[in-house]
Amino acid sequence: EDKVVQSPLSLVVHEGDTVTLNCSYEVTNFRSLLWYKQEKKAPTFLFMLTSSGIEKKSGRLSSILDKKELFSILNITATQTGDSAVYLCAVGRGSNYKLTFGKGTLLTVNP
Amino acid sequence: GAVVSQHPSWVICKSGTSVKIECRSLDFQATTMFWYRQFPKQSLMLMATSNEGSKATYEQGVEKDKFLINHASLTLSTLTVTSAHPEDSSFYICSARTGADGGTLHFGNGTRLTVT
Repeated sequence: EDKVVQSPLSLVVHEGDTVTLNCSYEVTNFRSLLWYKQEKKAPTFLFMLTSSGIEKKSGRLSSILDKKELFSILNITATQTGDSAVYLCAVGRGSNYKLTFGKGTLLTVNP
Repeated sequence: GAVVSQHPSWVICKSGTSVKIECRSLDFQATTMFWYRQFPKQSLMLMATSNEGSKATYEQGVEKDKFLINHASLTLSTLTVTSAHPEDSSFYICSARTGADGGTLHFGNGTRLTVT
């Protein structure tokens, strides 16, 4: 059975802290790993990773994939209260890139 | 680009009635759309894959006669929850791939369904 496991499930930090969110997976026919940020509504896309060892960066957020060890991390530096959200990891598999989601990490950034 | 529009954003209906949710890709064509359901504090669970011009593919445990999916055009898929019951109350989200950026899925804003 395909599995996507995120850790920690929840995290509380102060503004300015750096956080690392983890995602490990076991899926058949892996195609890609995606990170999404979900606030009150639907998820918004952050990154898609397909190759090992290549860091993707967007502002204070960065992510990297290790296809040998089957995990990815999402880093957020200098966190702000607006970063508070659920961060979802999803793995795309098969020819139509069906996504299997992890349960998410609830990040709370306190002022 | 890559905007997915979902309507309505919330709906309240009585038990036994049917509700239709629309999902449109506004600036691209989507041969495949996906319907997800999310219960409070849980992750997104794939319900079905909607294929333009053919029958939807349902995930195990999802009743195809209860959750009717129609993908009549390259920009529109609909999900109809038939004979809704309170346990169908959930957050329903559609998504679509552009095809231009590989496996990236773009999500609609979701529909909060409450069945009373």
